[in-house]
Amino acid sequence: QSALTQPASVSGSPGQSITISCTGTSSDVGGYNYVSWYQQYPGKAPKLMIYEVSNRPSGVSNRFSGSKSGNTASLTISGLQAEDEADYYCSSYTTRITVLFGGGTRLTVL
Amino acid sequence: EVQLVESGGGLVQPGGSLTLSCAASGFPFSSYAMHWVRQPPGKGLEYVSTITGNGGTTYYAESVKGRFTISRDNSKNTLYLQMGSLRAEDMAVYYCARRRSTYFYDYWGQGTLVTVSS
Repeated sequence: QSALTQPASVSGSPGQSITISCTGTSSDVGGYNYVSWYQQYPGKAPKLMIYEVSNRPSGVSNRFSGSKSGNTASLTISGLQAEDEADYYCSSYTTRITVLFGGGTRLTVL
Repeated sequence: EVQLVESGGGLVQPGGSLTLSCAASGFPFSSYAMHWVRQPPGKGLEYVSTITGNGGTTYYAESVKGRFTISRDNSKNTLYLQMGSLRAEDMAVYYCARRRSTYFYDYWGQGTLVTVSS
């Protein structure tokens, strides 16, 4: 089972917006609105940032937003801040294995 | 406050066995499916296994099927992962996570490191 496809790295300057893509297939990302996104700092556990494609948990900044088109989901972070520098992972329900993760994207704030 | 606390990680030889535990508190444990997710050093997250709230149904990633067994004791609010025939590629930080009905994880433990080496 191949992981969902994410760019290995993205970067942006403070105040800018960046988008991280997550590409799967019709058996996972494209077939269900069960895409979630997680932020992970080095040595720490992942933290839920977006669930069900575009919903934000309580306490997560509204600078984080999610969307989906076809087999590709996206996480957008607007008004970049230094504290956003972290690894980001997408995840999707899939009938074949129940949950599939992306390979992860390292966000660098320049 | 929801808390998930893993334990049981450590150094094990290839071919050996290890059992991880995840102690849950702050929520009705038996009402939630639970997952194990692992992360090899310097790599991404990987789904390992699922168990439903009543423990009646389990699922496994192909990479661990037949070698790992997930279980839970709802009277003790504890999740387990019995790992056997361990390989170098099983070396990772293992997280337990609470799964919601639409397949996202709203709470994670802090992780426990499993090192497979001779």
